[in-house]
Amino acid sequence: GQNIDQPTEMTATEGAIVQINCTYQTSGFNGLFWYQQHAGEAPTFLSYNVLDGLEEKGRFSSFLSRSKGYSYLLLKELQMKDSASYLCAVMDSNYQLIWGAGTKLIIKP
Amino acid sequence: GAVVSQHPSWVICKSGTSVKIECRSLDFQATTMFWYRQFPKQSLMLMATSNEGSKATYEQGVEKDKFLINHASLTLSTLTVTSAHPEDSSFYICSASDSDYNEQFFGPGTRLTVL
Repeated sequence: GQNIDQPTEMTATEGAIVQINCTYQTSGFNGLFWYQQHAGEAPTFLSYNVLDGLEEKGRFSSFLSRSKGYSYLLLKELQMKDSASYLCAVMDSNYQLIWGAGTKLIIKP
Repeated sequence: GAVVSQHPSWVICKSGTSVKIECRSLDFQATTMFWYRQFPKQSLMLMATSNEGSKATYEQGVEKDKFLINHASLTLSTLTVTSAHPEDSSFYICSASDSDYNEQFFGPGTRLTVL
């Protein structure tokens, strides 16, 4: 079966750095997406990785290792507004997105 | 660019009535639109995928006669929840893509409450 695993909840301090991990087992791979979702709102796109390595975009970076079926989202200089759920999604061989359950990130002052 | 709108944002209806939700791509042509449902504290669940001008492809366990999807144009898809019941209360989100392989752009979602 297809499976995406990510921690249910994480807590971090404002100004700090946090890494949210995602491991996956899917039938085929056509890229991995990270989305941010604030409570009661729809997801917004953060990053897309299809090749191994680190993609940096401002305070957010995303890493992918296809051989390990592993990705992480790194958030630096955390701000209170970063409190949200972070969804990992993998596009399989049928170009269908397989979604993780999301990681709720709580930022404390 | 790549803005997707949904209407209404929220709706409350009586059990047994039907509710239509619209999803529009405002600045691009969406060849593919996706409808998701999300229950509290759970991840997105894909309900169906629709391509303009053809019948939607429903995920296993989703009743196509209850959740009617119409993708009549490259900028509009509608989801009609027929004979809604309280268990249909959920957050319904659409997304749109200009191909099967590209990023999905999400609408703001519609919160449906069935009394």
